[in-house]
Amino acid sequence: EDKVVQSPLSLVVHEGDTVTLNCSYEVTNFRSLLWYKQEKKAPTFLFMLTSSGIEKKSGRLSSILDKKELFSILNITATQTGDSAIYLCAPKKGGGSNYKLTFGKGTLLTVNP
Amino acid sequence: DTEVTQTPKHLVMGMTNKKSLKCEQHMGHRAMYWYKQKAKKPPELMFVYSYEKLSINESVPSRFSPECPNSSLLNLHLHALQPEDSALYLCASSQDALGGGPINQPQHFGDGTRLSIL
Repeated sequence: EDKVVQSPLSLVVHEGDTVTLNCSYEVTNFRSLLWYKQEKKAPTFLFMLTSSGIEKKSGRLSSILDKKELFSILNITATQTGDSAIYLCAPKKGGGSNYKLTFGKGTLLTVNP
Repeated sequence: DTEVTQTPKHLVMGMTNKKSLKCEQHMGHRAMYWYKQKAKKPPELMFVYSYEKLSINESVPSRFSPECPNSSLLNLHLHALQPEDSALYLCASSQDALGGGPINQPQHFGDGTRLSIL
């Protein structure tokens, strides 16, 4: 059975802090790993990681994948109150599984002013 | 606002009602998805359509009936729902789909329909 574990489940920090969110996974027919940010409505796409060791960056956010150890991290530097959200990790299965996503339970990040 | 549009945004219905949720995308995506999300839980996949054909049904009860009239539209028909079906219903789409086209593309989500069953 596919397994996705995110940690921590919740995190409270102050503006300006740096945070690291973790995602470990065990899925069959793995193709890539996606990170999403969810505030009140739609999960918003952040990153898709396919290759090990190649960091993807977007502003203050960055992410990296380790396919050997089966985990990914999402870093947010200089956090702002607008970063408060649930961050979801979702490994994507390939081909015959019709590119199915399996979501972790998410990390609830609260950034206080 | 996202490029995947869902209507209505909110829906309250009784257990004997019949209603439909609608989803539309104009990004040329060939795969469309329905997810159910309960409070404080991650989205759970319900159905996947590839090239307008149902390719995954995650053992969803028959009171939920999906329909894909064309490549841009996805409906979810609801009938005789139970109170435990109250949730946020999310639609998503992606370029990659079983049966051809580009591979390994992200899914993009709509804002969802918040459904309450009385």
